[in-house]
Amino acid sequence: EAGVTQSPTHLIKTRGQQVTLRCSPISGHTSVYWYQQALGLGLQFLLWYDEGEERNRGNFPPRFSGRQFPNYSSELNVNALELEDSALYLCASSSTAQANEKLFFGSGTQLSVL
Amino acid sequence: GDSVTQMEGPVTLSEEAFLTINCTYTATGYPSLFWYVQYPGEGLQLLLKATKADDKGSNKGFEATYRKETTSFHLEKGSVQVSDSAVYFCALAKYNFNKFYFGSGTKLNVKP
Repeated sequence: EAGVTQSPTHLIKTRGQQVTLRCSPISGHTSVYWYQQALGLGLQFLLWYDEGEERNRGNFPPRFSGRQFPNYSSELNVNALELEDSALYLCASSSTAQANEKLFFGSGTQLSVL
Repeated sequence: GDSVTQMEGPVTLSEEAFLTINCTYTATGYPSLFWYVQYPGEGLQLLLKATKADDKGSNKGFEATYRKETTSFHLEKGSVQVSDSAVYFCALAKYNFNKFYFGSGTKLNVKP
């Protein structure tokens, strides 16, 4: 069974640009989560999608947005990139919307903003 | 608000030493508690979990007990190996909010 897959694995952008990160959940999983792991800061919750809708978002500015497609894959978009957006972006999926279900994580997209 | 606090790293141990990584939490209600591990160059993997007070989660020789009285979920292993070198994240989640709160992670270095 394929795990959570993310693309691209690495990305280099400059300030002010826009970026789109992609995530494919495990087959049958309907919930997708996005996290930011900045150097030394641990994981910060960004967004949660379930059944195609945004269910919750963390404390990030509106230039962080995303969507979930009918096949449950998801995109994370970041507009007007800033240097501090440099981080590892992790996607995770779970099989239900219940919080005590475990998350399965992808390997992440390493974004560098120059 | 809900949060998780972990001991700061890095933690450096010799092979076969005893490991404790402290984790305490703040939450209303009855959260589930988790330990995730991130090996170098990889995403996070669930290591163990506990869903109610006094539950003990265990996996690969690691254990953690959900202590409601001390709001703690400390990770322990009796004899660490070099292959245990990774970053360990404590996390909590609550049923009705479906949001995981992660600690800042503790890096473990095990030397041969």
